[in-house]
Amino acid sequence: AQSVTQPDIHITVSEGASLELRCNYSYGATPYLFWYVQSPGQGLQLLLKYFSGDTLVQGIKGFEAEFKRSQSSFNLRKPSVHWSDAAEYFCAVRGNAGNMLTFGGGTRLMVKP
Amino acid sequence: KAGVTQTPRYLIKTRGQQVTLSCSPISGHRSVSWYQQTPGQGLQFLFEYFSETQRNKGNFPGRFSGRQFSNSRSEMNVSTLELGDSALYLCASSLDGRTNQPQHFGDGTRLSIL
Repeated sequence: AQSVTQPDIHITVSEGASLELRCNYSYGATPYLFWYVQSPGQGLQLLLKYFSGDTLVQGIKGFEAEFKRSQSSFNLRKPSVHWSDAAEYFCAVRGNAGNMLTFGGGTRLMVKP
Repeated sequence: KAGVTQTPRYLIKTRGQQVTLSCSPISGHRSVSWYQQTPGQGLQFLFEYFSETQRNKGNFPGRFSGRQFSNSRSEMNVSTLELGDSALYLCASSLDGRTNQPQHFGDGTRLSIL
């Protein structure tokens, strides 16, 4: 069975500082990996995805993520955080059979002025 | 291009009632999936429909059911509501449900059970 762990429940960073959100997955083969962001009262917005190829993937809003097979990780990064990035971030994995996403527990990001 | 549309946005029901939620996918998308989001359990997969057929199902009781129509719109039904069914129900669509396609989510229906 596939699973996702996001070790940090809450993270607070200062505006302009860099950000890294951690994601570890468990899956027997090459997974399909996603990062989504959720603002209060909203659904999930896709930030980026990894299917294959280049292990560093670029997404929207200046986010990027790096797939590291040896560490079973898919960490999300942003070089300079903006106040509008405050939200909850979810890492998700999908296997190669079916369309079911398995989500991590989420990381709530707060941005200090 | 319009996104995934879920109606209604908010619902209040009492225990024992039943409820139907609706999801209209992005135009041209044929796969629709449903997820439940609660503070305690997080985001959990309910089921996926493709071409009017349920293709995958999560670990939820039979009180949770769904269907998909020929225009790809989907409905989800919960019968005999329990307090624990209070949640945000999210619908997601993708083009044809192949694994190399991302899912796009609606803003959800917030269901409160009194």
